[in-house]
Amino acid sequence: EVQLVESGGGLVQPGRSLRLSCAASGFTFDDYTMHWVRQAPGKGLEWVSCINWNSGHIVYADSVKGRFTISRDNARNSLYLQMSSLKAEDTAFYYCTKDIGVSGHRGFDYWGQGILVTVSS
Amino acid sequence: DIQLTQSPSFLSASVGDRVTITCRASQGISSYLAWYQQKPGKAPELLIYAASTLQSGVPSRFSGSESGTEFTLTISSLQPEDFATYYCQQLNNYPFTFGQGTRLEIK
Repeated sequence: EVQLVESGGGLVQPGRSLRLSCAASGFTFDDYTMHWVRQAPGKGLEWVSCINWNSGHIVYADSVKGRFTISRDNARNSLYLQMSSLKAEDTAFYYCTKDIGVSGHRGFDYWGQGILVTVSS
Repeated sequence: DIQLTQSPSFLSASVGDRVTITCRASQGISSYLAWYQQKPGKAPELLIYAASTLQSGVPSRFSGSESGTEFTLTISSLQPEDFATYYCQQLNNYPFTFGQGTRLEIK
């Protein structure tokens, strides 16, 4: 059974940093591109970032570029999101998601349960 | 960025109804479109990918189609568990944008 379990969320002050982790199991982690998607409370979905299988291709949304860093450790079957210079508008549920295929991007077939990050003083 | 506009934003329907949700892209995205269902307090679930391919385990009452830059999600006969919010997503160009969502409620 595929599982994605996020951790590391919580309340953080504006301008501070936070690191999210996602523990993956039930599939061959290092075969797949992984993504982070976020959702502000009561709002729609926003794609944040992706990283390919060997970390050779990384892309960010403009809203987080220069502040967030995505990474992965294939030996630990883990995905990370290092968030710095956090702003109130970064407040959201953050989801770790898996690309459906090993090549190309066609959809995200498994999602974590989501972890809430609240940026507030 | 590619903009996705869903219509309607809100839909009220009854069990057994046939409903259609439309997603219009601001430019061509080939067939790189996915549909998701999200229930309150839960993560989204993939329904359709590549515009018309049903994800494994998704009931056959769900279907997707495309015509140029207009994509459609159809539920042939609404079931009580289908009342949720639906999102389209394009995966042709970064950033992988989502539509604003369509909230489907019980009439």
